[in-house]
Amino acid sequence: YELTQPLSVSVALGQTARITCGGNNIGSRNVFWYQQKPGQAPVLAIYRDIYRPSGIPERFSGSISENTATLTITRAQAGDEADYYCQVWDDNTRVFGGGTKLTVL
Amino acid sequence: EVQLVQSGAEVKKPGESLKISCKASGYSFTTYSIGWVRQMPGKGLEWMGIIYPGDSETTYSPSFQGQVTISADKSISTAYLQWSSLKASDTAMYYCAREGSGAGYGMDVWGQGTTVTVSS
Repeated sequence: YELTQPLSVSVALGQTARITCGGNNIGSRNVFWYQQKPGQAPVLAIYRDIYRPSGIPERFSGSISENTATLTITRAQAGDEADYYCQVWDDNTRVFGGGTKLTVL
Repeated sequence: EVQLVQSGAEVKKPGESLKISCKASGYSFTTYSIGWVRQMPGKGLEWMGIIYPGDSETTYSPSFQGQVTISADKSISTAYLQWSSLKASDTAMYYCAREGSGAGYGMDVWGQGTTVTVSS
């Protein structure tokens, strides 16, 4: 199973960033999003498509349609610059997308 | 505080064996799975495999099956990732991560990572 993410997304400071994750019938799976800042371990940002773990700002949200999951970051801040990865279960294994580098201009 | 603490950086030669560790604390070790994730220099995350310490059931990514061994010691709340014969291409950062039971749970707690360098 393959997940397709754009290599990079740019957003102006204070604007809204949308990072997509494409997969065949991804809407039938649980999607997870991870944020990884340079030199740090990943952090779970969204689980089960739309839920935010405690400590993740409300500016982060997830959505899903038949073949695309989307991570939306509103009022983007410089501190949101990071790599973002989507992930799903595939049978008993896990699959990551290739990752998207978010740049805040 | 729930945390996973990984063993320190390793520098090895090709052909050598290696076992790195991931020690859990702050939660019941046997009721969550521990997964391992590779990140090669400048690259993305790759899922390697997972173990459920409660019964030691282990699942590997097809890409890593036969290349590594994942194990756990319940008595000391520690999971392991080991290689019997390292290659230069094993040079990477390796993360362990906790995962709840069931398909609706992601990897909610991560270790700090262990850097493995394999070079002659």
